[in-house]
Amino acid sequence: QSVLTQPPSVSGAPGQRLTISCTGSTSNIGADFDVHWYKQLPGRAPKVVIYANSNRPSGVPDRFSGSKSDTSASLAITGLQAEDEADYYCQSYDSSLNGPVFGGGTKLTVL
Amino acid sequence: QVQLQESGPGLLKPSETLSLTCTVSGDSITTSSYFWGWIRQPPGKGLEWIATVEYTGNINYNPSLQSRLTVSRDTSENNFSLRLVSVTAADTAVYYCGRILRHRKWFDPWGQGTLVTVSS
Repeated sequence: QSVLTQPPSVSGAPGQRLTISCTGSTSNIGADFDVHWYKQLPGRAPKVVIYANSNRPSGVPDRFSGSKSDTSASLAITGLQAEDEADYYCQSYDSSLNGPVFGGGTKLTVL
Repeated sequence: QVQLQESGPGLLKPSETLSLTCTVSGDSITTSSYFWGWIRQPPGKGLEWIATVEYTGNINYNPSLQSRLTVSRDTSENNFSLRLVSVTAADTAVYYCGRILRHRKWFDPWGQGTLVTVSS
């Protein structure tokens, strides 16, 4: 049982827009801790695609965007491409745990 | 460019002790801008934070593992290690180490990960 809640899977056709939600609580996202998003390909380590709620590292396409509100956050991907197919994880910090917390992961499938 | 590399045995028997080391190159583990962490991922499952080593040497543990876990660092070798005793099949996972930006608290980069299997 992950501290942050994500949908297990999402899917969409090429070119479509998708969002992945991440729901937390008042001890993590709602406590104004940042939310970060990672993309993980099979057999590879996760790689950040959005940091500090809405910032893109260099090299990440501007099709990726992030937002945060109250106890939730979202990752949006526009113009879906085959290369976006991966597992996506949200991460924040929890004041009760005194450490980072992750969502359970969302498998994104491009139809 | 900072790089992290996990090392340690890949196969353990139940009740044995898991020992892993993360060697850091391209940055110092005493840099005040960063913390350093351990994360694990059981096969087919999500990510679980294990522990964080602060640049001061202070260590924060996941309470769910704390009773079996010891994390330490070696500043002369620029590495940090974890030791998990009394392992069971539930500890089978890919173990990652990562650098954590101190103020905004995200992991970047990660090591490539090392699979640890606990089986009799």
